[in-house]
Amino acid sequence: SQTIHQWPATLVQPVGSPLSLECTVEGTSNPNLYWYRQAAGRGLQLLFYSVGIGQISSEVPQNLSASRPQDRQFILSSKKLLLSDSGFYLCAWGDRVEAFFGQGTRLTVV
Amino acid sequence: AQSVTQPDIHITVSEGASLELRCNYSYGATPYLFWYVQSPGQGLQLLLKYFSGDTLVQGIKGFEAEFKRSQSSFNLRKPSVHWSDAAEYFCAVGVGEYGNKLVFGAGTILRVKS
Repeated sequence: SQTIHQWPATLVQPVGSPLSLECTVEGTSNPNLYWYRQAAGRGLQLLFYSVGIGQISSEVPQNLSASRPQDRQFILSSKKLLLSDSGFYLCAWGDRVEAFFGQGTRLTVV
Repeated sequence: AQSVTQPDIHITVSEGASLELRCNYSYGATPYLFWYVQSPGQGLQLLLKYFSGDTLVQGIKGFEAEFKRSQSSFNLRKPSVHWSDAAEYFCAVGVGEYGNKLVFGAGTILRVKS
């Protein structure tokens, strides 16, 4: 069966520091991969999605970037974090029309 | 543009009472619709989904939802709520070429009182 791993679970980073969140998927090949962010009291916003290695689509302009160096690996990065980057970040993989989510990373920028 | 509206931010129901969470969507094509549940600090779990066919969809944990095209709604229901149902619930519509990007509503937080 397919599983999705996301780490770390929690992260506290100072403003201006870099960020790297990693997500890997097992049990499937060539999945669609997604990064969502959930700000406090708000719904989930799609940040990036990828349909293949090296193929990244950005949904909203922001201080973050994403990369897909391997088929089942999806990385969310920032060179310099802002306070507004705080939130709950969820990685997901999808087949044709259903998304399966990781456990999320709680990022607090201080 | 596609959007999902969940008009109730918080709902409190008594254990054993019935539940209905509202969801309205805006999407030009035939929608793929989903309900997810999120326990505190956790990822999202799919409760049910609608792609086509029967407009009344059964899901896990005793939940069901009804797709009403005329009202652009996909309300979630449960006849008898359990304390373990306390969580945040998200409605979503699948968009994009294959409906594989999800647009979420803001969520409804369900509290269950004993």
